[in-house]
Amino acid sequence: KAGVTQTPRYLIKTRGQQVTLSCSPISGHRSVSWYQQTPGQGLQFLFEYFSETQRNKGNFPGRFSGRQFSNSRSEMNVSTLELGDSALYLCASSLAAPNYGYTFGSGTRLTVV
Amino acid sequence: GQNIDQPTEMTATEGAIVQINCTYQTSGFNGLFWYQQHAGEAPTFLSYNVLDGLEEKGRFSSFLSRSKGYSYLLLKELQMKDSASYLCAASDNYGQNFVFGPGTRLSVLP
Repeated sequence: KAGVTQTPRYLIKTRGQQVTLSCSPISGHRSVSWYQQTPGQGLQFLFEYFSETQRNKGNFPGRFSGRQFSNSRSEMNVSTLELGDSALYLCASSLAAPNYGYTFGSGTRLTVV
Repeated sequence: GQNIDQPTEMTATEGAIVQINCTYQTSGFNGLFWYQQHAGEAPTFLSYNVLDGLEEKGRFSSFLSRSKGYSYLLLKELQMKDSASYLCAASDNYGQNFVFGPGTRLSVLP
């Protein structure tokens, strides 16, 4: 079966712009989580969605938002991009809750210039 | 609050055994995960411990002590391809909140 698919793989944006990243979970997986990974901070939890509802949210500013569609696909949006938003954004899916085990996508590498 | 600690870097020789430790403090606890991440790639699941004790999977084993808030990942017969970052993660009581440690970068030398 197909894995977790994230698009695009690479993205370059300018400060002040906004960006939308997409994640298609493994078929049947209803929980989708987003993480930001930077060399200095490691994996930082952004939010988790289940059945189109945000169940948990990490400590990120309101510029970071997300949503999940009825087919479990998820998008995250970052508005008013800052240089510090440059990171690898990883999406992970699981059957019902993360403690069933995550499967990660390959990530979207965002560079803000 | 939640806090996970693991060594930043470790070096070992091909064919040797290495133990990567992880200590955690979480407001609730529902399980401890280990992931492997090669440079530029996504993390991949290695193991999950929810009860005390040792779980063995081939060359990799993971141990958990809930009373001590401690886990370790044991890698035997190290191979060059084991050079990667190893991430420890704890989930809360509801299994929905995940906290990852900073990761341990393991370098396997010939």
